[in-house]
Amino acid sequence: AQSVTQPDIHITVSEGASLELRCNYSYGATPYLFWYVQSPGQGLQLLLKYFSGDTLVQGIKGFEAEFKRSQSSFNLRKPSVHWSDAAEYFCASGRGNQAGTALIFGKGTTLSVSS
Amino acid sequence: KAGVTQTPRYLIKTRGQQVTLSCSPISGHRSVSWYQQTPGQGLQFLFEYFSETQRNKGNFPGRFSGRQFSNSRSEMNVSTLELGDSALYLCASSLVAGGGLFTDTQYFGPGTRLTVL
Repeated sequence: AQSVTQPDIHITVSEGASLELRCNYSYGATPYLFWYVQSPGQGLQLLLKYFSGDTLVQGIKGFEAEFKRSQSSFNLRKPSVHWSDAAEYFCASGRGNQAGTALIFGKGTTLSVSS
Repeated sequence: KAGVTQTPRYLIKTRGQQVTLSCSPISGHRSVSWYQQTPGQGLQFLFEYFSETQRNKGNFPGRFSGRQFSNSRSEMNVSTLELGDSALYLCASSLVAGGGLFTDTQYFGPGTRLTVL
């Protein structure tokens, strides 16, 4: 069965430091991959998505992610973290070529930013 | 353009009652998906409606149902509420202009926080 794993439940990063959030997917075919961010009391906001093509994807707010098929990974990165980046981050995968918009989410990684 | 709106934002019910949640998608969006978010299970897909038809369904009991109206607004209903139904229910809409695949970006609403006592 298709699954998404985020190994890190909670990460603390100093403001200005670099960030990498890990995501591993399990799916036989080329997956459709997404990163979302959720601030307290808010819905989910799409940061970036990967469907095909260039394996390095640029998103909003200075985030990028790299798709590595050999490692079944889609890690999210940011070169310099701002205090406003503190939130919960979710990696998600779409269900292959099935019509529809069902997403499978990882359990999320909570990012804290220290000053 | 207004975003996805969900009403009510907060709801308190007791076990055995039923509840209806509403979602208004972004204007022009034809697909509406519902997700349940809990601390234990995380985000789980409930179902998706497209052009008033349920197109996909997650692994939830029949107590969870939904529908979509001709203006793409959607409602979900939970009957015979259980304590475990306490969750944040998120609605997402997407344009689905072409073949209906999920390459369309999903835009999420702020959610409805349901508490079952």
